[in-house]
Amino acid sequence: NAGVTQTPKFQVLKTGQSMTLQCAQDMNHNSMYWYRQDPGMGLRLIYYSASEGTTDKGEVPNGYNVSRLNKREFSLRLESAAPSQTSVYFCASSEVPPGSYQPQHFGDGTRLSIL
Amino acid sequence: SQQGEEDPQALSIQEGENATMNCSYKTSINNLQWYRQNSGRGLVHLILIRSNEREKHSGRLRVTLDTSKKSSSLLITASRAADTASYFCATDRGTALIFGKGTTLSVSS
Repeated sequence: NAGVTQTPKFQVLKTGQSMTLQCAQDMNHNSMYWYRQDPGMGLRLIYYSASEGTTDKGEVPNGYNVSRLNKREFSLRLESAAPSQTSVYFCASSEVPPGSYQPQHFGDGTRLSIL
Repeated sequence: SQQGEEDPQALSIQEGENATMNCSYKTSINNLQWYRQNSGRGLVHLILIRSNEREKHSGRLRVTLDTSKKSSSLLITASRAADTASYFCATDRGTALIFGKGTTLSVSS
């Protein structure tokens, strides 16, 4: 019973490199989310996918792209990494979007450092 | 932009004491949720309270919601060292949750 699985757990990149963060959930949830967490800033939504086949921008989408590969998987791509993207990235899923009184389930995060 | 703001930012108590955290938000909501985050881990959902509810209990947790003041409180009774964590409130805005910056709770034995 894995829940939400994120890979990798840690990564160091050089400025300008690209990388894809992977996320998979085994709870048959429809909605998936990517957040970033920075010290003193709480969690900020990057992108979300309300259902398979749809993606939408969140609060801080610049510099990122996403792919909802299928119902289970939602990936986040940094095309040209910048030091400002150093952060902890969390993937989450929920049965339905938040307005329908359902909690979100989180992975344990990817700690990304960009030099 | 943050919707919820927790208060205090940090709280230190002894085991057995009660811990109270507050959350204020800006716009109308359908529901408000509280999450816990242990160091180095993801967030874990604790409790959800709907906008038409005023109080909800779950084990040692008690959540209140005052929609007229746009505020909520989370009370943890008889705190344990294992309750040491950061606590976040989150409010719904359409298809997304908006999280506050969190309260860091430290419970010492």
